[in-house]
Amino acid sequence: QITLKESGPSLVKPTQTLTLTCTFSGFSLDSEGVAVGWIRQPPGKALEFLAMIYWDDDKRYSPALKTRLAITKDTPKNQVVLTMANVDPVDTSTYYCALGSSPFHYTFHIWGQGTVVTVSS
Amino acid sequence: DIVLTQSPGTLSLSPGEGATLSCRASQSVTNTYISWFQQKPGQPPRLLIYGASSRAPGIPSRFSASGSGTDFTLTVSSVEPEDFAVYFCHQNGRLPWTYGQGTRLDI
Repeated sequence: QITLKESGPSLVKPTQTLTLTCTFSGFSLDSEGVAVGWIRQPPGKALEFLAMIYWDDDKRYSPALKTRLAITKDTPKNQVVLTMANVDPVDTSTYYCALGSSPFHYTFHIWGQGTVVTVSS
Repeated sequence: DIVLTQSPGTLSLSPGEGATLSCRASQSVTNTYISWFQQKPGQPPRLLIYGASSRAPGIPSRFSASGSGTDFTLTVSSVEPEDFAVYFCHQNGRLPWTYGQGTRLDI
């Protein structure tokens, strides 16, 4: 069974760096054709793609947020970490990590439950 | 950026009726990279369709999808009570990968 779970702070102050961890099980991120990504959803709004990391350490970022984001993987720990620098109240969202893989054309086919992050002083 | 515009914003139906949801892209998208998701309150999105028309594992056959280029459609042949939710289309063919604003399927 494949599961993903997001963890991180629920409250962050403006200008701080947000660090989120996705811990997964049921697959390996060193298997060819596997990727893990991050997506966020502000309250009542649409989903927004943030970043994705592939089994070969290739990475994709949202161009609008690229300068603030960094995604890394720790394969032995089965974790993917997303850092977002210089957060602002507009970054208040539910943050999801999700699995993408080649049979599904790298769309996100299994999602974590999400973690709510509020940016406020 | 590829903007995905979904219509209608809200679709009010009774169980047993058919539903047709539209997703229009501002630029042509390769079918391979169009997907549809269902989201219920307090839950993460659930993949329904990938590659524009392929059902994800475990998705009932009443869900089908089609389309090409800039126009894509999700059809629910006979809506069940558990289908009342918000539906998003998504493209991951060109960065930034984008999502539609959603169609709410209401009872």
